[in-house]
Amino acid sequence: RKEVEQDPGPFNVPEGATVAFNCTYSNSASQSFFWYRQDCRKEPKLLMSVYSSGNEDGRFTAQLNRASQYISLLIRDSKLSDSATYLCVVTRPRGGNKLTFGTGTQLKVEL
Amino acid sequence: EPEVTQTPSHQVTQMGQEVILRCVPISNHLYFYWYRQILGQKVEFLVSFYNNEISEKSEIFDDQFSVERPDGSNFTLKIRSTKLEDSAMYFCASSGRDSVYNEQFFGPGTRLTVL
Repeated sequence: RKEVEQDPGPFNVPEGATVAFNCTYSNSASQSFFWYRQDCRKEPKLLMSVYSSGNEDGRFTAQLNRASQYISLLIRDSKLSDSATYLCVVTRPRGGNKLTFGTGTQLKVEL
Repeated sequence: EPEVTQTPSHQVTQMGQEVILRCVPISNHLYFYWYRQILGQKVEFLVSFYNNEISEKSEIFDDQFSVERPDGSNFTLKIRSTKLEDSAMYFCASSGRDSVYNEQFFGPGTRLTVL
């Protein structure tokens, strides 16, 4: 089983739509969770950390379900500029802070 | 806003040659990382570095790879004898402290092409 699994997509949505991405992770002891955004041939950029209680940043909402080992990202009122690959990332419980990436979910927002 | 920088942006080399990829982490950061991404694949951890020594390395980071922080600002990745399969995007990252909640900031990457 992959450490971090995501639906690769692509998700093609019209501008203004709401879209949700899901991610599962295999190590129940994983401690930190993030969503990164990666544009084509660019570096990953941190979109948001994911906290146990869930958190929101503008149009973006992240949720964590530790019991199900499941992370989600909701994007409301999607913009053309949201088109990118969204990477689910987890860290292990201790030492080194190594990031483990999922393969990413590709989002294409269309007019 | 502080950022991680990497040079060169693109490196082309012949198989068997040595390459050195350079990174300048964010100035007050203490933890440094190299990741790689083969075209079309996920980002993979290579190595983490703190206090002038390797904290952790992956299976990918074999004897052909080494890292160094020679002068307190640069952080380098050396591949001694490149293979075709080393062709990838190499990202340097840095973070401020070894907290699992701490964010890692990535540089723009060096695209390595091994011919």
